[in-house]
Amino acid sequence: QTVVTQEPSLTVSPGGTVTLTCASSTGAVTSGYYPNWFQQKPGQAPRALIYSTTNKHSWTPARFSGSLLGGKAALTLSGAQPEDEAEYYCLVNYVGAWVFGGGTKLTVL
Amino acid sequence: QVQLVQSGAEVKKPGASVKVSCKASGYTFTTYTIHWVRQAPGQRLEWMGWITAGNGNTKYSQNFQGRVTFTGDTSASTAYMELSSLRSEDTAVYYCARQYSYGPWDYWGQGTLVTVSS
Repeated sequence: QTVVTQEPSLTVSPGGTVTLTCASSTGAVTSGYYPNWFQQKPGQAPRALIYSTTNKHSWTPARFSGSLLGGKAALTLSGAQPEDEAEYYCLVNYVGAWVFGGGTKLTVL
Repeated sequence: QVQLVQSGAEVKKPGASVKVSCKASGYTFTTYTIHWVRQAPGQRLEWMGWITAGNGNTKYSQNFQGRVTFTGDTSASTAYMELSSLRSEDTAVYYCARQYSYGPWDYWGQGTLVTVSS
């Protein structure tokens, strides 16, 4: 069974930059895996941030960006704000089936 | 505006079935795929499968094959997820989410808590 791995936790200072990554047990993540990124705060439904590797939704703050980095999907937050403290999940496609990563708990401190 | 509104919380006994609804508004229901995702307490998101609202095609995660059924009612712009043979490990919040073709997953329902307890 395919496993998608993220950093369990990361900490960033207010105004700082941090990169979250998303790795696949099957090998390198490419754009063909259509990686998506979501933000989830306690007690809330996930909120979509990035789709198809790099594309932002109309509501995605400009400080978030998506990319491929060293065979992984990546989400970079530049200029972290206190309200960015949340759990972040990646989601990748494997020939019609989708798998979520384990999530990264991001602390802004 | 686009909305996915799910049915209310459920409490079920082990072995029973549950059916959760997801009513769509603000867009053409038949042009999108609806995914179902669940999240057990303190756990990661888990993809359950999808239904294409236009033609009713479905794909289920192997983890739920044989126990879950997705249906859609185009006249009511509503998708349904039915999970059978419930066990305590199925206690979770169940979400529906919208996707356009191989494009973005964008809007999510508010979630439905299903509690399985004797």
